Amino acid sequence: DAKTTQPTSMDCAEGRAANLPCNHSTISGNEYVYWYRQIHSQGPQYIIHGLKNNETNEMASLIITEDRKSSTLILPHATLRDTAVYYCIVRPGSGNTGKLIFGQGTTLQVKP
Amino acid sequence: EPEVTQTPSHQVTQMGQEVILRCVPISNHLYFYWYRQILGQKVEFLVSFYNNEISEKSEIFDDQFSVERPDGSNFTLKIRSTKLEDSAMYFCASTYTDRAKEKLFFGSGTQLSVL
Repeated sequence: DAKTTQPTSMDCAEGRAANLPCNHSTISGNEYVYWYRQIHSQGPQYIIHGLKNNETNEMASLIITEDRKSSTLILPHATLRDTAVYYCIVRPGSGNTGKLIFGQGTTLQVKP
Repeated sequence: EPEVTQTPSHQVTQMGQEVILRCVPISNHLYFYWYRQILGQKVEFLVSFYNNEISEKSEIFDDQFSVERPDGSNFTLKIRSTKLEDSAMYFCASTYTDRAKEKLFFGSGTQLSVL
């Protein structure tokens, strides 16, 4: 499975966009990029995923570079409740894809 | 949104005792998982379960651990003889398929403390 690299921590002002980067330079063609977050030791929560194209849902946007070696999760208007650890995970397109490999993630602190 | 339910939220046990952690996955889901997170560490995969069989397990999931789906709704994790190092938050998760684009739903966890 492809490895991911994320900054350890980031700060964001409340109401501003939070842009969380992730490098996955060894990603293969059938692997998806997933983002989950974990708020204060609760269960991880799915945010968004993508394969090649940019994606948007009610929570966030995901921008994947054309070469797929990196991506950015965008929370358009961060709130204090978005303070969490954000995990970028690469999942294979076939096989036992429920086995998520979590890294240390990025701790996002949203400040008033 | 549907939820994965885990009970109890906290479990305290003595070293060497057996514990059973319970999970009720989302009703139409077919794939079930246990993960754990030791305080301050990463979330770690333990085991995946489908069609009443273990699909994959990590090296953490040794002979002291077992899983079963006894009645078609509950999904349990049993630790036969708990050790101090089993103290962790245990998360259950489920999904409808194992396709890559299917998201996992996680429960809120059971905090296990082994004394």
